[in-house]
Amino acid sequence: NAGVTQTPKFQVLKTGQSMTLQCAQDMNHEYMSWYRQDPGMGLRLIHYSVGAGITDQGEVPNGYNVSRSTTEDFPLRLLSAAPSQTSVYFCASRPKLTGFKGYTFGSGTRLTVV
Amino acid sequence: AQKITQTQPGMFVQEKEAVTLDCTYDTSDPSYGLFWYKQPSSGEMIFLIYQGSYDQQNATEGRYSLNFQKARKSANLVISASQLGDSAMYFCAMTADTGRRALTFGSGTRLQVQP
Repeated sequence: NAGVTQTPKFQVLKTGQSMTLQCAQDMNHEYMSWYRQDPGMGLRLIHYSVGAGITDQGEVPNGYNVSRSTTEDFPLRLLSAAPSQTSVYFCASRPKLTGFKGYTFGSGTRLTVV
Repeated sequence: AQKITQTQPGMFVQEKEAVTLDCTYDTSDPSYGLFWYKQPSSGEMIFLIYQGSYDQQNATEGRYSLNFQKARKSANLVISASQLGDSAMYFCAMTADTGRRALTFGSGTRLQVQP
């Protein structure tokens, strides 16, 4: 199993550009979520989804959009990149029916906005 | 809402000694899960140990154990016989049955193991 795959691994954007961070999982997990990690800090929730067609905001949603058209994919869109969005982004998934355990993380995307 | 507090920004421990990393949490949910993750300098998130709120016994996974004190809302990680490879950031996290079906993280503790 590939688990949770995030692409790209690294990205440099100019201020004002838009882009999509990809997250795909092949484990048929219902729950998926996006986090950002700023230097020396913990992970903060951006958006999450409990199933295809259902998304909701997390702690720091401003400047980001998500959609979930399939169970497998949960892309994160930066609408107009700002230097404050320079961070490492993690995607995670877990199955709905196995209790709280079973979170799987992607390897992260390191984004720099100049 | 859920909240995780880690009050130790950094810790030092001698190789082969035990170390305790503190974590307190706050939630109004009766059913929740508590996690510890390790993040080495390479950046990946490595799952270490899990404790459910209804679990009667403290969780153990090899050299890791979770000292769960429900009434005090604490979930401290104990690493026994520290190794140089244990040097990393450690994050406490939680999730619950209601609200956001995602993890809430603490700010982390940087552990340095000295030879």
